[in-house]
Amino acid sequence: EVQLQQSGPEVGRPGSSVKISCKASGYTFTDYVMNWVKQSPGQGLEWIGWIDPEYGSTDYAEKFKKKATLTADTSSSTAYIQLSSLTSEDTATYFCARLFSGPRYFDYWGQGVMVTVSS
Amino acid sequence: DIQMTQSPASLSASLEEIVTITCKASQGIDDYLSWYQQKPGKSPQLLIYDATSLADGVPSRFSGSRSGTQYSLKISRPQVDDSGIYYCLQSYSTPLTFGSGTKLEIK
Repeated sequence: EVQLQQSGPEVGRPGSSVKISCKASGYTFTDYVMNWVKQSPGQGLEWIGWIDPEYGSTDYAEKFKKKATLTADTSSSTAYIQLSSLTSEDTATYFCARLFSGPRYFDYWGQGVMVTVSS
Repeated sequence: DIQMTQSPASLSASLEEIVTITCKASQGIDDYLSWYQQKPGKSPQLLIYDATSLADGVPSRFSGSRSGTQYSLKISRPQVDDSGIYYCLQSYSTPLTFGSGTKLEIK
């Protein structure tokens, strides 16, 4: 059974960084691109970017290029997103989602991680 | 960037109605279009991929179609459990972009 298990809620101070994990199981981690999606409170979904765990290559939406850093550890089948220079605008739920290649759609999602930026 | 214009923003429907939600792409996306349902506090769930293909386990009352660059999700005789927020996603090119969402209430 494919599962994406994300880490727990985070509270970060303004200006600091947080790092969220997404541990994959039930499939070969390097066979699928992992995506990250942001959902601000009461708002819609925004694509942050993706990482190909096999090669470590990444692609980001322009607005997240200086905000997010995507990495992957193939030894533990875990993808990470680090959010830097936190502001109140970063308060949101962050989802990881596996991209099924070919037709390209998100077939499995993590449960989401709430990040709260507060002093 | 490809813009996905989704409508309506919200709607309320009865059990006997046919519900239609649309997403218009700002350019051709070659059917790289999927639909998701999200319930409060939960992650989105895949309904339709490739514009018209039903995901595994999704009831057949859900269907997808295309006319030009406009994509539609139809729910025939919706159930109360179909209440939620629906999003389209284009995955033709990066940045991947979602529609703004449609909040559906089934009375």
